Amino acid sequence: QVKLLQSGAELVKPGASVKLSCKTSGFTFSTSYMSWLKQVPGPSIEWIGWIYAGDGGTNYNQKFKGKATLTVDKSSSTAYMDLSSLTSEDAAVYFCARGQYFDFWGPGTMVTVSS
Amino acid sequence: DVVMTQTPVSLPVSLGGQASISCRSSQSLVHSNGNTYLHWYLQKPGQSPQLLIYRVSNRFSGVPDRFSGSGSGTDFTLKISRVEPEDLGDYYCLQSTHFPRTFGGGTKLELK
Repeated sequence: QVKLLQSGAELVKPGASVKLSCKTSGFTFSTSYMSWLKQVPGPSIEWIGWIYAGDGGTNYNQKFKGKATLTVDKSSSTAYMDLSSLTSEDAAVYFCARGQYFDFWGPGTMVTVSS
Repeated sequence: DVVMTQTPVSLPVSLGGQASISCRSSQSLVHSNGNTYLHWYLQKPGQSPQLLIYRVSNRFSGVPDRFSGSGSGTDFTLKISRVEPEDLGDYYCLQSTHFPRTFGGGTKLELK
């Protein structure tokens, strides 16, 4: 069955970068879109962007351009998101989700930004 | 960006009762291909969101028929009949017609 397994919680210092992962199984990764989303208590959910695993093509929410970089490794069916120059505003739970309808989600990775 | 406005923010219900959630978009969600990309999700406490309804009215695999979606253009509704304990949580609408994809602010379904 479809599974999305995300990397563990991160505690990062302000100004640092972090790379989150989303390892998938149970479907054809190379023909899938993978999205990343941000949720802060509120509760609100923001779409960061997506990447087409077939060719690495991306579409970013303008708000996250320069903040997030999406990549994939087709050999391991894994999607990645780099977050750079972290501030307190980046503290959140980050999800990966599959496809155009976000039909399957990972469990989320909590990112805490603190010195 | 398309603004998605969900109402109510909080919805107290009785078990076995009915619930209705509204989602309005700031512009039409009809895509140039004729489809309308409006979807509904439930997020239970401590879990990730799960897809309930896609493209306005299509129930996702395994979703009970107590859940139904309707609407068109800019005005959409999710109805839950015979509410059960596992239906409690936060409900979100999402539009994926336009970039960037945008979510409603959420509706908390809770016991009366």
